[in-house]
Amino acid sequence: ETGVTQTPRHLVMGMTNKKSLKCEQHLGHNAMYWYKQSAKKPLELMFVYSLEERVENNSVPSRFSPECPNSSHLFLHLHTLQPEDSALYLCASSQDPGRRGGYTFGSGTRLTVV
Amino acid sequence: QKEVEQDPGPLSVPEGAIVSLNCTYSNSAFQYFMWYRQYSRKGPELLMYTYSSGNKEDGRFTAQVDKSSKYISLFIRDSQPSDSATYLCAMSVGETSGSRLTFGEGTQLTVNP
Repeated sequence: ETGVTQTPRHLVMGMTNKKSLKCEQHLGHNAMYWYKQSAKKPLELMFVYSLEERVENNSVPSRFSPECPNSSHLFLHLHTLQPEDSALYLCASSQDPGRRGGYTFGSGTRLTVV
Repeated sequence: QKEVEQDPGPLSVPEGAIVSLNCTYSNSAFQYFMWYRQYSRKGPELLMYTYSSGNKEDGRFTAQVDKSSKYISLFIRDSQPSDSATYLCAMSVGETSGSRLTFGEGTQLTVNP
């Protein structure tokens, strides 16, 4: 398998549930990102990992908890979410430094909080 | 004021038309400029990557950067129905993961057969 793979593709969860989103990249990249995409809003950067260390946490609420166990895998753990957290969550990877190829995005997880 | 402004559309054109998509920005430190294409139910895919000012051409696609005006454009010649997608502009100051990409809202394009 190639590129960036995200699972699950769709997720419906209640506000009291705990779930995790998974991202896997097969490109040999060393930086990985979580983005949130909501309707009529620009992509919002949530977290950045470079060489498995978190280099940025963009003021994201603590109900979102990232984990990067190695350079190929990235998780986003979710708990006690709010309906306004419903969105498309995108994972991306890049080679750091030197990002002339831009980011490679996965297809995203469509999250609905009920 | 948003750092990057992009008209969300929607934009609808007939097949074969020339399409012009644009973004303006306020941060003069931006040096790297990208256009992404996002099909429905897919993640964005990189379409064009340019550094500093100038033009870059790839097939039917031409990207232009005018840093003096803080204005970037993407032109699509001989547009096809398969070009129907949302087009996102993105830009950054540097090239490392610590230099975040700032995205526009995206322009939704439909090319009618």
